[in-house]
Amino acid sequence: ELKVEQNPLFLSMQEGKNYTIYCNYSTTSDRLYWYRQDPGKSLESLFVLLSNGAVKQEGRLMASLDTKARLSTLHITAAVHDLSATYFCAVDRYGNKLVFGAGTILRVKS
Amino acid sequence: DGGITQSPKYLFRKEGQNVTLSCEQNLNHDAMYWYRQDPGQGLRLIYYSQIVNDFQKGDIAEGYSVSREKKESFPLTVTSAQKNPTAFYLCASSIWTGDNQPQHFGDGTRLSIL
Repeated sequence: ELKVEQNPLFLSMQEGKNYTIYCNYSTTSDRLYWYRQDPGKSLESLFVLLSNGAVKQEGRLMASLDTKARLSTLHITAAVHDLSATYFCAVDRYGNKLVFGAGTILRVKS
Repeated sequence: DGGITQSPKYLFRKEGQNVTLSCEQNLNHDAMYWYRQDPGQGLRLIYYSQIVNDFQKGDIAEGYSVSREKKESFPLTVTSAQKNPTAFYLCASSIWTGDNQPQHFGDGTRLSIL
């Protein structure tokens, strides 16, 4: 059974600081997704990572995938308040049936 | 604009009552999904459908039922057999289940017990 663990589950950051969210998963998969959710809202797709060593960047966020270690990271550079949200990683079991991590609540303080 | 529409936004259920959550998409996606989200937890898959008139159980299907009579529509019924229905329900769609594109999500329905 595929299990997905995120850490930390809660992250309080100062504006301008850097930090990394980790996503570990228990069985082999070649597709991993990162989503953002604002309170009471839907999920917004951030990144799709499809192969070992994949790295994608959008603004202050950068995601990477190491399929051998079964690890993905979401790195935040010089955080700003607008990045406050909950971030989920989701791993594809097969056929686009996703298993989600519990989410990381990010709060950026000015 | 293409997207996924879920209704209602808020729904209240009485004891012994079945309620139906609506999900409509105009993205021409083949696959549709229903997830349940509880506070502080990730999403869990309830049901999914790859094509019209076909659907499969996800991880927590007990107490729920679905239908897929049209490509655009995938309603979810929360039956009285679901003893703990209070949650945030999200509908999603994707081009097809084997594609690498991310799932697109609706805005969700928040279901509570009266």
